[in-house]
Amino acid sequence: EVQLVESGGGLVQPGRSMKLSCAASGFTFSNYGMAWVRQAPTKGLEWVATISYDGSSTYYRDSVKGRFTISRDNAKSTLYLQMNSLRSEDTATYYCTRGTGNFDYWGQGVMVTVSS
Amino acid sequence: DIQMTQSPASLSASPEEIVTITCQASQDIGNWLAWYQQKPGKSPQLLIYSATSLADGIPSRFSGSRSGTQYSLKISRLQVEDTGIYYCLQRYSNPWTFGGGTKLELK
Repeated sequence: EVQLVESGGGLVQPGRSMKLSCAASGFTFSNYGMAWVRQAPTKGLEWVATISYDGSSTYYRDSVKGRFTISRDNAKSTLYLQMNSLRSEDTATYYCTRGTGNFDYWGQGVMVTVSS
Repeated sequence: DIQMTQSPASLSASPEEIVTITCQASQDIGNWLAWYQQKPGKSPQLLIYSATSLADGIPSRFSGSRSGTQYSLKISRLQVEDTGIYYCLQRYSNPWTFGGGTKLELK
């Protein structure tokens, strides 16, 4: 059974950093691209970043480019999202998802609240 | 960026009815479109990929179609468990963009 379990969220002050993790199981992690998608409270879905199966290629939405870094450790079957210089508009539930477009499996999500 | 205009924003329908949700792409995206369902308090679930292909485990009452740059999700024989918010997603070009969502309620 495919499982994606996010961790690392919580309350953080504006301008500070936070790192999210997503532990994957039930499939060969190193064969799949992965992505982060977020959802602000009561809002719709927003793609954040994607990484290729081997980590050689990464893609970001403009609003997080230069502040967020997506990475992976295939030996640990874990996806990461390093978020720096956080802003209030980054407040959202962050989902880890499998694939580079056909997001076929999703984690349960982790809440990140950016507030002073 | 490619804009995905989804309609209607909300709808209410009765069990066994047929409903259709549409997404209009601002430019050609080929068949690089997927549909997702998000039930209240849950993560999204893939329903349709490549505009018309049914994802694994999804009931056949869900179907997708394309006409030019307009994409449709049809739900035949609506069931109570189909309540939720539906989103389209284009993955033709970066940034991948979602439609604004359609909230489906059952009467």
